[in-house]
Amino acid sequence: GQNIDQPTEMTATEGAIVQINCTYQTSGFNGLFWYQQHAGEAPTFLSYNVLDGLEEKGRFSSFLSRSKGYSYLLLKELQMKDSASYLCAVRDSNYQLIWGAGTKLIIKP
Amino acid sequence: GAVVSQHPSRVICKSGTSVKIECRSLDFQATTMFWYRQFPKQSLMLMATSNEGSKATYEQGVEKDKFLINHASLTLSTLTVTSAHPEDSSFYICSASSPEGSSPLHFGNGTRLTVT
Repeated sequence: GQNIDQPTEMTATEGAIVQINCTYQTSGFNGLFWYQQHAGEAPTFLSYNVLDGLEEKGRFSSFLSRSKGYSYLLLKELQMKDSASYLCAVRDSNYQLIWGAGTKLIIKP
Repeated sequence: GAVVSQHPSRVICKSGTSVKIECRSLDFQATTMFWYRQFPKQSLMLMATSNEGSKATYEQGVEKDKFLINHASLTLSTLTVTSAHPEDSSFYICSASSPEGSSPLHFGNGTRLTVT
């Protein structure tokens, strides 16, 4: 079967750095996405990786290793507004999106 | 960037009534739209995939006669929850992607449905 694993919850301190990991097993691979979702709101797109390596976008970076079926989202200089759930999603060979259950990130002052 | 508009944002209805939710892609043509449901503290659950001009593809366990999907144009898909019951109360989110391979899903703002 297809599945995506990410930690259920993480806690970090304001101003620090946090890395949210995502491992996947899917039928084929056509890209990996990270989304941010605040409580009661729809997800918003953060990043897309299709080739191995690091994609940097401001305070957020995303890394992909296709051979390991692994990605991480790195958040730097954490702010209180970064408290949210972070969803990892993989597009399989049929271009279907397979969603992880999300990682709830709690930022403490 | 691509924008998806979803309406209404909140709706409260009585048990047994039907509710229609609209999803529009405002600045791109969405040949495929997706409907998700999300219960509190849970991840997104794909309900159905809607293709313009054809019947929607429903995920296992989703009743197609209860959740009617119409994708009449390249910019509009609708989800109608028929004969709603309290257990249908949930957060419904639509999404769409433009045809380019690297394009992410763009989400509507979601509809909070409460059935009393």
